[in-house]
Amino acid sequence: DQQVKQNSPSLSVQEGRISILNCDYTNSMFDYFLWYKKYPAEGPTFLISISSIKDKNEDGRFTVFLNKSAKHLSLHIVPSQPGDSAVYFCAAARNEGAQKLVFGQGTRLTINP
Amino acid sequence: DAGITQSPRHKVTETGTPVTLRCHQTENHRYMYWYRQDPGHGLRLIHYSYGVKDTDKGEVSDGYSVSRSKTEDFLLTLESATSSQTSVYFCATSATDTQYFGPGTRLTVL
Repeated sequence: DQQVKQNSPSLSVQEGRISILNCDYTNSMFDYFLWYKKYPAEGPTFLISISSIKDKNEDGRFTVFLNKSAKHLSLHIVPSQPGDSAVYFCAAARNEGAQKLVFGQGTRLTINP
Repeated sequence: DAGITQSPRHKVTETGTPVTLRCHQTENHRYMYWYRQDPGHGLRLIHYSYGVKDTDKGEVSDGYSVSRSKTEDFLLTLESATSSQTSVYFCATSATDTQYFGPGTRLTVL
């Protein structure tokens, strides 16, 4: 049972345009959500997070939107840059001390010059 | 980012042999985690620790054990490795909300 789903395995975007990565979850008990970026042969790197008490969080070029009623979150990257090419994972957890993150399958983002 | 190292970075072993992976952190974070990454599954939690000698199971704990005798070290042991445990293993640590990951260990079980 996949509690966190990223339905797009890959996404290709032109440099300078907006990249939108999507994530859906099924467990209504999740109250904390994170996005990680991963380059080959490296560990995931934290990008941005959002608590369920908010519907938007922004950090530079990265904005995460949370729609609790739809159990959906998205990551917007504006403008997209070649260095953004990587695999992006969304993750969810119940904020209760030790965070047992549940990850989506990942979306490979390719930024084309 | 937290100072997290994993050793070894690569390992090839044979079915039935014991294997221990080490995670070391320098940030004094309370929580430590072990995940495995497999194609089509993202990362899945194996075990985690919420303090020295305090550990608990994650989503895919069968065939794995862990130990944490010091704040900075978290060991993952495969008592008798199987081919299904071929994977990339990531350690993570956290103080509060955000987990930070190590560089990973690629384990191949032949």
